[in-house]
Amino acid sequence: KNQVEQSPQSLIILEGKNCTLQCNYTVSPFSNLRWYKQDTGRGPVSLTIMTFSENTKSNGRYTATLDADTKQSSLHITASQLSDSASYICVVSDSWGKFQFGAGTQVVVTP
Amino acid sequence: KAGVTQTPRYLIKTRGQQVTLSCSPISGHRSVSWYQQTPGQGLQFLFEYFSETQRNKGNFPGRFSGRQFSNSRSEMNVSTLELGDSALYLCASSFGGPTASSYEQYFGPGTRLTVT
Repeated sequence: KNQVEQSPQSLIILEGKNCTLQCNYTVSPFSNLRWYKQDTGRGPVSLTIMTFSENTKSNGRYTATLDADTKQSSLHITASQLSDSASYICVVSDSWGKFQFGAGTQVVVTP
Repeated sequence: KAGVTQTPRYLIKTRGQQVTLSCSPISGHRSVSWYQQTPGQGLQFLFEYFSETQRNKGNFPGRFSGRQFSNSRSEMNVSTLELGDSALYLCASSFGGPTASSYEQYFGPGTRLTVT
């Protein structure tokens, strides 16, 4: 069973609207959680990295939250733009440096 | 500063052949990790090299191997190719530290391997 589950699998939003992506994990012992954005045909690009003690981290219009007690994270995209169309991948690493990847959420922003 | 480079970008091979992919990390980075990405399985960790030593390994058969040179450049080799090996192969570099997850990882553009 995958130790990192993302939802929804895909979503379509109108340009200018907000959206929230979810990531639930069971990885233990937890080290950090990362959100990546991957454009089609390109390598993933890091958006945020959060450790156990961090609850919120922002990168421009992207805001990630982490609840280490419930093992949940979310990525909020504010005022979406067409360039936000991409796959968003949640990655959790354990204390030994091994990464577990979520399947990703495919976001499509329409004009 | 130049980013992570991977060569070749595209490759077509036939079943049974072998292939070698190359990754040049960002200058100063000592850790290189390799990943396989397919539509069905998503991103999967292959292995990580740090200072020429394999430090971590994913759950892939022995046909998948790698190495790292003294200049931190890394190669990945897949022998006896199977149709299921068709994928985007990504490498990522970081400073390293105690584990691969200690620092930010920077991904290359990937090598698209097609096995026919």
